[in-house]
Amino acid sequence: GQQVMQIPQYQHVQEGEDFTTYCNSSTTLSNIQWYKQRPGGHPVFLIQLVKSGEVKKQKRLTFQFGEAKKNSSLHITATQTTDVGTYFCAGPSYNFNKFYFGSGTKLNVKP
Amino acid sequence: DTGVSQDPRHKITKRGQNVTFRCDPISEHNRLYWYRQTLGQGPEFLTYFQNEAQLEKSRLLSDRFSAERPKGSFSTLEIQRTEQGDSAMYLCASSLGRGTREQFFGPGTRLTVL
Repeated sequence: GQQVMQIPQYQHVQEGEDFTTYCNSSTTLSNIQWYKQRPGGHPVFLIQLVKSGEVKKQKRLTFQFGEAKKNSSLHITATQTTDVGTYFCAGPSYNFNKFYFGSGTKLNVKP
Repeated sequence: DTGVSQDPRHKITKRGQNVTFRCDPISEHNRLYWYRQTLGQGPEFLTYFQNEAQLEKSRLLSDRFSAERPKGSFSTLEIQRTEQGDSAMYLCASSLGRGTREQFFGPGTRLTVL
């Protein structure tokens, strides 16, 4: 069945260092969503990418959707302690009735 | 607060008991999802409603699980004869419109089965 995988599982960085998480789907996706979950919190939507090769930026966050629409990445420049949390990617099924979430990348930022 | 709400926030039950959780989505949202999340994992899809119709149900979901969304407003998720493996966070999310849109998640119900 359809699967979405994420690496790495954990990332520990010093404040100010960059961070990247990668997402790979077993099937071509119509779009991909990214969510952030703070410790003890619930997932919060960050962005949705739709077009092949699309790149979107939100301040220090850069999101990319691969040309084949099977992979995506999230890059954070100059991490801050407020970036701590787990970042998930999610892709829809062919009929948009379900979403497949990756297992997430847990980011810890040391001040 | 106009976000997604879930009740209860925590539930401790003994193995074999039935439990029911409630989700109140954002009022104009026609799409409602239930997910299960265990420690260190991403949300795992359970079921999807569009208005009052249950259009998708995970094959991983045993027949002990049932969900309803009467009148297309709030939704309930019932687990019968709970097992220790059912211990998890149960998340509800809602969204608006056709195609894929951002999902707004509720705070979740944490279930502990003793």
